[in-house]
Amino acid sequence: AIRMTQSPSSLSASTGDRVTITCRASQGISTYLAWFQQKPGKAPDLLIYAASTLQSGVPSRFSGRGSGTDFTLTISSLQSGDFATYYCQQYYTYPFTFGPGTKVDIK
Amino acid sequence: QVQLVESGGGVVQPGRSLRLSCAASGFTFSTYDMHWVRQAPGKGLEWVAVISSDGNSKYYADSVKGRFTISRDNSKNTVILQMDTLRTDDTAVYFCVRDDHDDIWGNYRFDSWGQGALATVSS
Repeated sequence: AIRMTQSPSSLSASTGDRVTITCRASQGISTYLAWFQQKPGKAPDLLIYAASTLQSGVPSRFSGRGSGTDFTLTISSLQSGDFATYYCQQYYTYPFTFGPGTKVDIK
Repeated sequence: QVQLVESGGGVVQPGRSLRLSCAASGFTFSTYDMHWVRQAPGKGLEWVAVISSDGNSKYYADSVKGRFTISRDNSKNTVILQMDTLRTDDTAVYFCVRDDHDDIWGNYRFDSWGQGALATVSS
């Protein structure tokens, strides 16, 4: 199975900060990567798919980049509703696998 | 609007079985692949299984292969996860997920999730 890693595992930031999360795949996955946001007690929400395509309704402050094995999720100006845990997911091949998550909390 | 409602969670002893159901509404269920994703308490997300729109193709995570069975009934807009020979590490919230994937570019979009059903395996 393809192993996904994320860094950092957690970070503290303030409203208005620019935040970047990194995701790495154990083998090349082209751009078959998605990003999800999850808040406590809730189901995840799809933010980005195809590494850089914003899901409908997702604010433009979220952006994704990368291909092959290295990917990033950037929040250009952190808002109060963005404090959550973020997961990357590869769908290049089954079994689909998620990264361990990055928790973004308030500094 | 799209709605996915899981049911069937509960507490069960190791080695026993549990059957989760997901009732779908608000979209043409028979045209979408469906997945189950789970999350152990305080842990990350783990993909569990997928069933194609027509029910003919199924894939499983190695951790559940041979113990879990995914199925669907397109006449009832329902997807089922039959979980047998349960272990304590199967304890998790199980999410039913719609897969809006496009066959042209091969992108799988997990665009709608249920609220989750908690399955607890404990003696």
